[in-house]
Amino acid sequence: GAVVSQHPSRVICKSGTSVKIECRSLDFQATTMFWYRQFPKQSLMLMATSNEGSKATYEQGVEKDKFLINHASLTLSTLTVTSAHPEDSSFYICSVPTLTYGYTFGSGTRLTVV
Amino acid sequence: QQQVKQSPQSLIVQKGGISIINCAYENTAFDYFPWYQQFPGKGPALLIAIRPDVSEKKEGRFTISFNKSAKQFSLHIMDSQPGDSATYFCAAPSNSNSGYALNFGKGTSLLVTP
Repeated sequence: GAVVSQHPSRVICKSGTSVKIECRSLDFQATTMFWYRQFPKQSLMLMATSNEGSKATYEQGVEKDKFLINHASLTLSTLTVTSAHPEDSSFYICSVPTLTYGYTFGSGTRLTVV
Repeated sequence: QQQVKQSPQSLIVQKGGISIINCAYENTAFDYFPWYQQFPGKGPALLIAIRPDVSEKKEGRFTISFNKSAKQFSLHIMDSQPGDSATYFCAAPSNSNSGYALNFGKGTSLLVTP
């Protein structure tokens, strides 16, 4: 199936700093990628849709200036959490939709803001 | 986002028993209904999915049953094993400006006892 690599797997940052998370589609050219957030013992909530060559679309309630998404190529999307605060601590997961293999998810990034 | 309602929230099954998880959806962008399995600290992994030109799909010990008229689908795990203990999510593609992202149910925490 499609392989999606997400990096880093864990990151701890200080409050007020920014953190970048990468999502790579290793064997599939993805014009669209999805970013989810998952709080402990909760479900995955869609944050935004990353579109190659155009602006991301954000779900209601998600601050686009705080969660910057860049889909620089057909294999790479990045999510930058700017001016991170403890309430941004969560599990961030990307997903790549494919026709053949459905939706493939990355292994996730555990962000802890201290 | 469309609602995807999943039940039960938690489930305890003895080894060798049958685990049944149910899901109901409202509207969907297209007929594709997956179940994901997630272990702590990991991203969700596709377990089984159905594209309902059929009402049932079986892969090993895992079966999806689909009722289009009722807008419901379920996951059956036969001969449940302790290694099946995980959180299970159903999902359905949303019909919104999110590029057909998956919307997830709230999850079912399955514990299979020895």
